[in-house]
Amino acid sequence: DIQMTQSPSTLSVSVGDRVTITCRASQSISSWLAWYQQKPGKAPKLLIYKASSLESGVPSRFSGSGSGTDFTLTINSLQPDDFATYYCQQYNSYSPWTFGQGTKVEIK
Amino acid sequence: QVHLVESGGGLVKPGGSLRLSCVASGLIFSDDYMNWIRQAPGKGLEWVSYISTSSTYTDYADSVKGRFTISRDNAKNSLYLQMSSLRAEDTAVYYCARSRRLVAPLDVWGQGTTVTVSS
Repeated sequence: DIQMTQSPSTLSVSVGDRVTITCRASQSISSWLAWYQQKPGKAPKLLIYKASSLESGVPSRFSGSGSGTDFTLTINSLQPDDFATYYCQQYNSYSPWTFGQGTKVEIK
Repeated sequence: QVHLVESGGGLVKPGGSLRLSCVASGLIFSDDYMNWIRQAPGKGLEWVSYISTSSTYTDYADSVKGRFTISRDNAKNSLYLQMSSLRAEDTAVYYCARSRRLVAPLDVWGQGTTVTVSS
């Protein structure tokens, strides 16, 4: 199985900050990586797919980059609505798909 | 509007069975691969199973293989997860989610249904 490792696990930030979350795959996944946002009690929401493509309706302050094994999610000028947990997911090898352990973005 | 609505969760004893359902609307259900994803309390996301458009292909996480069965009824726009020999570690919120093809992200999610396995 491909292991996905996110860092950091928790990020304490302020509104307006620039946030960077990293995700590392245990083997190359090309660009088959997605990022999701999850708020408490809610289902995850797709933000980024194919490493850097912005899902329709997602604010442009979210961006993704990377390929191979190293990936980054960046949130420019963090807004109050962005405090949530973020997960990366590889969908390169279908069986099984795997997620990172999550990064909680909390208010400093 | 695309919607996925899960149902069927509840409290079940270890060793018991439960059948989850997911009804889709606002999409061409028969064109989409469908998945079950779960999240144990306070934990991260775990992919559980997928099924192809015409049910030809299915696969399961090792943790549920041999105990869970995924199925779909395209005429009813419905996805199912039959769970048997349930264990405490199966306790989770179960989400159904769409992926447009075999290798694709999960772009539409249901609200989830809670399964609790406890005596």
